[in-house]
Amino acid sequence: ETGVTQTPRHLVMGMTNKKSLKCEQHLGHNAMYWYKQSAKKPLELMFVYNFKEQTENNSVPSRFSPECPNSSHLFLHLHTLQPEDSALYLCASSHRDMDTEAFFGQGTRLTVV
Amino acid sequence: EDQVTQSPEALRLQEGESSSLNCSYTVSGLRGLFWYRQDPGKGPEFLFTLYSAGEEKEKERLKATLTKKESFLHITAPKPEDSATYLCAVQGNAGNMLTFGGGTRLMVKP
Repeated sequence: ETGVTQTPRHLVMGMTNKKSLKCEQHLGHNAMYWYKQSAKKPLELMFVYNFKEQTENNSVPSRFSPECPNSSHLFLHLHTLQPEDSALYLCASSHRDMDTEAFFGQGTRLTVV
Repeated sequence: EDQVTQSPEALRLQEGESSSLNCSYTVSGLRGLFWYRQDPGKGPEFLFTLYSAGEEKEKERLKATLTKKESFLHITAPKPEDSATYLCAVQGNAGNMLTFGGGTRLMVKP
């Protein structure tokens, strides 16, 4: 248990569906991140939130929409996805102004059919 | 742009056969280099942080070292339970996000 919880663990959705991924951290961190991990590729940073403000959008398509209502919760809203969006989506958190490690959740395995 | 390259991509060892994993990096002002372990279907698990050249950290059979251009993860007398993908990441002056390498998939045979 790393203190970062992601739900659901697995998700299968059609290309016309709308779904949301949820991430919650109880570590007192003030920065949260979404990463995408595809087969044979390095982890790709998608979004960064510092103190609930989005500070990084790594050229992510608009069919991915993040939301950070407070420093403990992070959502990734999904709509009209493509099969190539199938991947493991990882949430992480860390202290914003400290050079310390990020802690990751267990991820959501997303399959788009 | 920060870049991280890990080698080899995959490494097969016999139990007890020591070896090293390499992480080469370029970064604008290194704030930290991080090693993670990732098991299949799970999120990365933090192992070490290194901050400056010459620094070393140890944990059980693992030892991480750092130079100005690369980091090594040395595995001494590995066991099958050490089988996993080992990820290296750097944090530079551009912000608090991490840039990851592609990982080394380690397989230790009994």
